[in-house]
Amino acid sequence: EDQVTQSPEALRLQEGESSSLNCSYTVSGLRGLFWYRQDPGKGPEFLFTLYSAGEEKEKERLKATLTKKESFLHITAPKPEDSATYLCAVRGGGSNYKLTFGKGTLLTVNP
Amino acid sequence: DAGVIQSPRHEVTEMGQEVTLRCKPISGHNSLFWYRQTMMRGLELLIYFNNNVPIDDSGMPEDRFSAKMPNASFSTLKIQPSEPRDSAVYFCASSAGTSGQETQYFGPGTRLLVL
Repeated sequence: EDQVTQSPEALRLQEGESSSLNCSYTVSGLRGLFWYRQDPGKGPEFLFTLYSAGEEKEKERLKATLTKKESFLHITAPKPEDSATYLCAVRGGGSNYKLTFGKGTLLTVNP
Repeated sequence: DAGVIQSPRHEVTEMGQEVTLRCKPISGHNSLFWYRQTMMRGLELLIYFNNNVPIDDSGMPEDRFSAKMPNASFSTLKIQPSEPRDSAVYFCASSAGTSGQETQYFGPGTRLLVL
């Protein structure tokens, strides 16, 4: 059974203070690792997909990286508008559709 | 482009009543998913449709839950009778293709409260 663990559960940063969120996963044959952002009262918004170890993707202040056991979402010089819950999900080789989600990391960036 | 559309956005009902949630997937997407999100369990897949056919309903918690997709642009999730423990946020998501690498795009969700 695919498993995803995200840490920390909550992270509070000052504006401009860079940090990283962790997503550890156990999956048989990774088809893809997905990062989503969820704002309060809204649905998850797609950010990145990573497919193989060593892959990196960037979008504005966010950079996602992938190893064989975990993914990191690096946030460089965050702004208050980056405050949200960040969700990680994996799709394993046993399914071509099922996503297993972690519980998420609630990020708060103070001005 | 319009994303996934869900209605209603909020629903408050009393225990025992029937609840129907509605979803319109992104045009051209052939896969549709219903999820439930709670603080305790996070996001859980309830049911998956491909080309309007239910493929995996193993996540549907009980017979009180049913889902239909009569055509490519509409799906419903029905709870009858509803119970307080059904209170959660229900999301619909859609994707295109079946290679296993597709991205799922989520709607805004329906926040359900059963009193």
